[in-house]
Amino acid sequence: EVQLVDSGGGLVQPGGSLRLSCATSGFTFSSFWMSWVRQAPGKGLEWVANINQHGSVEKYVDSVKGRFTISRDNAKNSLYLQMDTLRVEDTAVYYCARVDPGSGGYWDYWGQGTLVTVSS
Amino acid sequence: DIQMTQSPSTLSASVGDRVTITCRASQSISSWLAWYQQKPGKAPNLLIYKASSLESGVPSRFSGSGSGTEFTLTISSLQPDDFATYYCQQYNSYSLTFGGGTKVEIK
Repeated sequence: EVQLVDSGGGLVQPGGSLRLSCATSGFTFSSFWMSWVRQAPGKGLEWVANINQHGSVEKYVDSVKGRFTISRDNAKNSLYLQMDTLRVEDTAVYYCARVDPGSGGYWDYWGQGTLVTVSS
Repeated sequence: DIQMTQSPSTLSASVGDRVTITCRASQSISSWLAWYQQKPGKAPNLLIYKASSLESGVPSRFSGSGSGTEFTLTISSLQPDDFATYYCQQYNSYSLTFGGGTKVEIK
């Protein structure tokens, strides 16, 4: 059974940092692109970042470029999101998600989400 | 970036109704469109990909159509479990974008 378990969220002050983790199981992690998608409270979904199977290609939404870094450890079947210089508008539930291998662009499995709150 | 516009933003319907949600892209995305269902406090769930392909395990009352810039998600006979929010998402460009969502409420 494919499982993705998000963790690492919490309360942080503006300008602070946080590292999210996504532990995966039930599939060959190293064969899939992976993503982070977020959802601000009461709002819609927003793609944040993608990373390829080897960790050599990263893509970001413009609003987080230069502040967030997506990474992976294929030996640990884990995905990460390092979030620096956090802003109030980064407050959201963050989901890790597996990219469907045939498409390169939509998600077939999602984690349960972890809440990040940026507030003073 | 490609903008995705969904309508309506809220829809009130009864069990058994046929429901149609529209999604428009700001430029042609061919058939590179997915639909998701999301319930409160839960992660999104993939329903449709490539505009009209039904994800495995998704009930056949869900269907998708369209290409280019205009797409629809149809629920042929609304069931109690279908009251949720629905999102379209384009994957024609690397900057992946979602529609604003359509909340299907009980009438």
